[in-house]
Amino acid sequence: AQSVTQPDIHITVSEGASLELRCNYSYGATPYLFWYVQSPGQGLQLLLKYFSGDTLVQGIKGFEAEFKRSQSSFNLRKPSVHWSDAAEYFCAGAVYGKLTFGQGTILTVHP
Amino acid sequence: DAEITQSPRHKITETGRQVTLACHQTWNHNNMFWYRQDLGHGLRLIHYSYGVQDTNKGEVSDGYSVSRSNTEDLPLTLESAASSQTSVYFCASSATGSGANVLTFGAGSRLTVL
Repeated sequence: AQSVTQPDIHITVSEGASLELRCNYSYGATPYLFWYVQSPGQGLQLLLKYFSGDTLVQGIKGFEAEFKRSQSSFNLRKPSVHWSDAAEYFCAGAVYGKLTFGQGTILTVHP
Repeated sequence: DAEITQSPRHKITETGRQVTLACHQTWNHNNMFWYRQDLGHGLRLIHYSYGVQDTNKGEVSDGYSVSRSNTEDLPLTLESAASSQTSVYFCASSATGSGANVLTFGAGSRLTVL
């Protein structure tokens, strides 16, 4: 069965520190991969997506993600976190338009 | 601007009642989806549609139904609401072809079943 796993339920970082959120996928073939962000009480906003080609993809708000086929991973990174980045982050894989989401990682940013 | 609108945004109902959540998109997208979001589970697919008169069951479809009579709307019906269906529901849509996997989400509908 297709699955996406985010091993970290909750991560806390200090403002200005670097960030890496982990995501692993299990599919028969490489799916389309996405990272979404959700602020409290809000809908989901697409941060970035990977379809093929360059394995390092750039997104909005200074985020980037690296696709590693050998590790079945698609980790999200940001070099310097801002307080406004505090939110819940979801990794997702898609085949034929159907997204499978990870459980989400809640990011807390300390001043 | 094109948008995807969900209504109501908040609803409280009683066990056993029928409830319908509306989803309307003006993107002219063929694909539409309903997800529910629960703590610890992320978002799970309930039903989806690839076009008018097409509907398909997702991962957690029991107790839910949808119908697609036009391109713009995919209402989600809970035939007999249960407390386990208390959740936040998100509608989404996407284009066909290369854009099929890029979903645009609505703002969500929070449903409480007492």
